[in-house]
Amino acid sequence: DAGVTQSPTHLIKTRGQQVTLRCSPKSGHDTVSWYQQALGQGPQFIFQYYEEEERQRGNFPDRFSGHQFPNYSSELNVNALWLGDSALYLCASSFSDRGRDIQYFGAGTRLSVL
Amino acid sequence: QKEVEQDPGPLSVPEGAIVSLNCTYSNSAFQYFMWYRQYSRKGPELLMYTYSSGNKEDGRFTAQVDKSSKYISLFIRDSQPSDSATYLCAIPDYKLSFGAGTTVTVRA
Repeated sequence: DAGVTQSPTHLIKTRGQQVTLRCSPKSGHDTVSWYQQALGQGPQFIFQYYEEEERQRGNFPDRFSGHQFPNYSSELNVNALWLGDSALYLCASSFSDRGRDIQYFGAGTRLSVL
Repeated sequence: QKEVEQDPGPLSVPEGAIVSLNCTYSNSAFQYFMWYRQYSRKGPELLMYTYSSGNKEDGRFTAQVDKSSKYISLFIRDSQPSDSATYLCAIPDYKLSFGAGTTVTVRA
């Protein structure tokens, strides 16, 4: 059973560019959440997708947007990249089970903005 | 006030020592609590989750919750070099609120 898979593994962009990160959830999971993890910090919640809709959003600007497809996979898009967007971007998938939303993470995409 | 505060570390212990990791949280409505382990340049891996006050054991790992003090702990017994990683406490609501993580190094 494949776990959460993310692509690409690493990405280098320059300021002002746009980037798309991809995530395939764990088999049987229908909810995808995205997190940003800066070096030495815990992951910060960006947003969550369920039934192809953004269900919840953290404190991130509109430059961060996403999408969920009918097969539950998801994309994170970041426009007008800043140097401060350099981080590990994590995707987590889950399936709500009696109110317990246990999230499983992928290995992440490391984004460097130069 | 942050939702979750974690003792920052880092911690360096000899092999076989007991490792103690601690977090506090602010919202008494939280019902369950999680610990993740993250190896360098990898995604977080779920270690344990627990719902109620008291202890939960899983092999060498024990998670402890004190809801009256809003305090959660993770203990690692007989620590091994393979336990060297960053440990993150997390509290789920619609999202996971993470502590900043404690980096643990177990010296052989």
